[in-house]
Amino acid sequence: EAAVTQSPRNKVAVTGGKVTLSCNQTNNHNNMYWYRQDTGHGLRLIHYSYGAGSTEKGDIPDGYKASRPSQENFSLILELATPSQTSVYFCASGDAYWGSQNTLYFGAGTRLSVL
Amino acid sequence: QQKVQQSPESLIVPEGGMASLNCTSSDRNVDYFWWYRQHSGKSPKMLMSIFSNGEKEEGRFTVHLNKASLHTSLHIRDSQPSDSALYLCAAHSNVGDNSKLIWGLGTSLVVNP
Repeated sequence: EAAVTQSPRNKVAVTGGKVTLSCNQTNNHNNMYWYRQDTGHGLRLIHYSYGAGSTEKGDIPDGYKASRPSQENFSLILELATPSQTSVYFCASGDAYWGSQNTLYFGAGTRLSVL
Repeated sequence: QQKVQQSPESLIVPEGGMASLNCTSSDRNVDYFWWYRQHSGKSPKMLMSIFSNGEKEEGRFTVHLNKASLHTSLHIRDSQPSDSALYLCAAHSNVGDNSKLIWGLGTSLVVNP
């Protein structure tokens, strides 16, 4: 089974501070994704990547940057964290492009609180 | 407006009972569906997928798909307390380069012992 590891698992940040969430996958999947999950909104796509060096904007990219330095690693960066970014963040990887039957494998999640 | 609607929002069934969950998309470009299960405090994990019309069974779980109505349903027979979780429906919208995965808000299932 695909292994996706996120760090940290919990994070408390101050408003205006910089936060970096990290994700590592060991199954050589091309595609990686960052989602946030909030009650009433479900899973919302922030950024995704088709491979090393590529990042694409998802549905709610404002206030977030992403970085994919290698096949295995995909980071989500909050340059100036705001309380509205308090959420649970999930990283996921997938073994095919959107247009095919692409199952996503999720990491355990990072619970971020911005005070 | 959610393009993937799930019903009911919450469901309580007794242990050993049948749970039936529904998912419908209003996006005519949807072609594939998945059901993911998310236990409390955990991450979503793919439970079943269905890509063509008809029915698919895996153990206690059966999924149906009607592509004409863009409706899928998940049925869990002999429900167990360990089945208590949030069930998320995901649909693939095939719009060429703008293909995307659309998520429903989920059905919260509680199986009472």
